Amino acid sequence: EAGVAQSPRYKIIEKRQSVAFWCNPISGHATLYWYQQILGQGPKLLIQFQNNGVVDDSQLPKDRFSAERLKGVDSTLKIQPAKLEDSAVYLCASSLEIRGTGQTEAFFGQGTRLTVV
Amino acid sequence: AQKITQTQPGMFVQEKEAVTLDCTYDTSDQSYGLFWYKQPSSGEMIFLIYQGSYDEQNATEGRYSLNFQKARKSANLVISASQLGDSAMYFCAILIYNQGGKLIFGQGTELSVKP
Repeated sequence: EAGVAQSPRYKIIEKRQSVAFWCNPISGHATLYWYQQILGQGPKLLIQFQNNGVVDDSQLPKDRFSAERLKGVDSTLKIQPAKLEDSAVYLCASSLEIRGTGQTEAFFGQGTRLTVV
Repeated sequence: AQKITQTQPGMFVQEKEAVTLDCTYDTSDQSYGLFWYKQPSSGEMIFLIYQGSYDEQNATEGRYSLNFQKARKSANLVISASQLGDSAMYFCAILIYNQGGKLIFGQGTELSVKP
């Protein structure tokens, strides 16, 4: 079974530029998460999709960050314009709802390491 | 709002000994799941163990066990017989089922295993 795919793995941009990250979840996984992980900290939830609808985006800085999940499969996270403090690893995860058991283990991609200079 | 607290930024353990990593959580929801993930220096997030809020028995997965104390809202991870390869960051997380599976992480504990 293929895992969660993310690209690119690394990206270096100048402040005020724009950048986009792509995520392909595990086939059949309805839930998709985007996290921001700053060095030395825990992952911070930016946005969560259920199929192609947004479940939670309360911590997404909407003045500069946007995300979409077309057709309930792939997802794109965009930053425009980037700031120095956006330097972090951006993690995508997906999970499968298992009705009855309640267990919805999240599988993570390798992440995209963004450096803003 | 939900919150996960991991109060140990760093821990040391001697190889082959057991270690406990602390995790407390805060939620008003009755239906939730608790997870532990391992993140080695390579960066990938590896699922270790799961405990549901209605599970009465503590979860175990090989050398990992979860000490679940619901009244205290704690979900500590116990690693038995530590190995050098256990050196990594460990994250506790809570998933809230009534909020569409919202998954929140703690700040993590860095575990170093000494030979």
